[in-house]
Amino acid sequence: GESVGLHLPTLSVQEGDNSIINCAYSNSASDYFIWYKQESGKGPQFIIDIRSNMDKRQGQRVTVLLNKTVKHLSLQIAATQPGDSAVYFCAEQGDSSYKLIFGSGTRLLVRP
Amino acid sequence: NAGVMQNPRHLVRRRGQEARLRCSPMKGHSHVYWYRQLPEEGLKFMVYLQKENIIDESGMPKERFSAEFPKEGPSILRIQQVVRGDSAAYFCASSPREDGETQYFGPGTRLLVL
Repeated sequence: GESVGLHLPTLSVQEGDNSIINCAYSNSASDYFIWYKQESGKGPQFIIDIRSNMDKRQGQRVTVLLNKTVKHLSLQIAATQPGDSAVYFCAEQGDSSYKLIFGSGTRLLVRP
Repeated sequence: NAGVMQNPRHLVRRRGQEARLRCSPMKGHSHVYWYRQLPEEGLKFMVYLQKENIIDESGMPKERFSAEFPKEGPSILRIQQVVRGDSAAYFCASSPREDGETQYFGPGTRLLVL
């Protein structure tokens, strides 16, 4: 289940289950969205992106869903693996067109 | 095909010293972005540079911080007279596109001010 920790909300899932990480974005004018994965001590790693003219985009084991009506973005990870354990950030590109605005992040813990 | 490179990876400075952080973008990328990350928080935009030009420095503190991206060599983020509040991870990203899409991040420099 999902819980709010001291700082980052944490999602704990069993290995092999599907994970859903949610993000609320702030700017209704944003037209480009990205999910990043950040492992401890490393830089953000690009996972998948989506433009505002799409509702859904699929990659390898990952799917991003965009609901512009409620300004909500989600990342679905199928068959979650221990290597998926990390902090996940959504980022939106606002009307300035190049500046990425990051969400606060969700920590994903995968139980073996 | 090397990714974005940053050095040093870790930097310790005493209050009042200067910190210089370097970023070499991916080959063929002429757009560089600097972000700062405090523990348990998301990244915050600081500055966007193209070769020899600062395009947007709206996220940079007005004093003590400066950035450059010379015609030759890496991009430099310089922090003068560091204070403890400057302790953070500083990430550089590069992109081949002017619209800033597809930003690839380096491993970051973790600055600790004693």
